[in-house]
Amino acid sequence: DTEVTQTPKHLVMGMTNKKSLKCEQHMGHRAMYWYKQKAKKPPELMFVYSYEKLSINESVPSRFSPECPNSSLLNLHLHALQPEDSALYLCASSQIGTFGYTFGSGTRLTVV
Amino acid sequence: KNEVEQSPQNLTAQEGEFITINCSYSVGISALHWLQQHPGGGIVSLFMLSSGKKKHGRLIATINIQEKHSSLHITASHPRDSAVYICAVRSRNYGQNFVFGPGTRLSVLP
Repeated sequence: DTEVTQTPKHLVMGMTNKKSLKCEQHMGHRAMYWYKQKAKKPPELMFVYSYEKLSINESVPSRFSPECPNSSLLNLHLHALQPEDSALYLCASSQIGTFGYTFGSGTRLTVV
Repeated sequence: KNEVEQSPQNLTAQEGEFITINCSYSVGISALHWLQQHPGGGIVSLFMLSSGKKKHGRLIATINIQEKHSSLHITASHPRDSAVYICAVRSRNYGQNFVFGPGTRLSVLP
């Protein structure tokens, strides 16, 4: 298995909803990442997990809450989002100490 | 000045044409990646380079470490090559996290 799988592919949520994005990989990668990408812009790094521990939080608002319950799974919990949070959310993984990188296909989030 | 720059920003080509996309960067790098993103889609890693040249099918990527420059070439372009191509570098200056270029939007017309 050489893929990063993200679910759901599309999500529409209201500003008072709570939802979660899921990312899964079975390549044995021990670094996992969340990126946010707005239209026609490059991805922006949000969070990095190394060995299931949060190593980087790029000053992301607390309405985004990451979780890494095990080495294969990465979640992004969403609460009280704003319409400007609508974007493509990309997950990626890599093996620590190497430069290979695998991206998921993303979750298209719309906040209404 | 961005650490990673690409040219051109937009490119329209006819099917069958040879295409070159350029990337220049200003930091010391551990690796350079060429990524492909179709509209509304996820990102696919095409190449990872730290020196020399790599070829995969109709795609060729080169890097010149001394000049801090990389090129992505597409031979015999096809409409399915239409996508955004992103140059991204990994650097110790940034904790080995990606620094992305702005992307080159390619349209290949039939």
